Amino acid sequence: QVQLVQSGAEVKKPGASVKVSCKASGYTFTSYDINWVRQATGQGLEWMGWMNPNSGNTGYAQKFQGRVTMTRNTSISTAYMELSSLRSEDTAVYYCARGSAFSTGMDVWGQGTTVTVSS
Amino acid sequence: EIVLTQSPATLSLSPGERATLSCRASQSVSSYLAWYQQKPGQAPRLLIYDASNRATGIPARFSGSGSGTDFTLTISSLEPEDFAVYYCQQRSNWPGITFGQGTRLEIK
Repeated sequence: QVQLVQSGAEVKKPGASVKVSCKASGYTFTSYDINWVRQATGQGLEWMGWMNPNSGNTGYAQKFQGRVTMTRNTSISTAYMELSSLRSEDTAVYYCARGSAFSTGMDVWGQGTTVTVSS
Repeated sequence: EIVLTQSPATLSLSPGERATLSCRASQSVSSYLAWYQQKPGQAPRLLIYDASNRATGIPARFSGSGSGTDFTLTISSLEPEDFAVYYCQQRSNWPGITFGQGTRLEIK
């Protein structure tokens, strides 16, 4: 079945970086975009950026410009999101989600990765 | 950045009742709007894409309408499993995407 499986929970110190992976299966990885969305505890959804796995093109929310990098390895159908200069406000659940350039909506989501930033 | 404002923040209804959730955009997003349902501890689930199209496997009691700046998600007759938080999302000014702040649908 179509699914996105993310890497496990991370605990990081302020100032460090975290890299979360998102492995796709059940569909052609390069045919759909991958978005990254985060959610702090008790808060709403916040879009971080987008990547086209075919071209490698990316688009980042202004808030994260300069701190986020989205990459992929097409040979293993895996997308990555790296966030640097972590601060306590980055503590959240991070989701990858499949999107399309041809319609609005992210139809397949990963299970989420909890990132905790604490000294 | 396009801001999406959802109302009400909380909606209290009983099973069997009709739910109407609103999402208003700060500028036109044409029909580039989606709706999601999220339950505690779960990832969001796509309900509606492109304002009015039900996603695969979504029951017919869910419907979306609107275009431009005003959108509505309607649940025709609430089932117990429908009580959750609902978010709208736009992608008009690609590659920028924004979400509304959410509407909590709770059991009365």
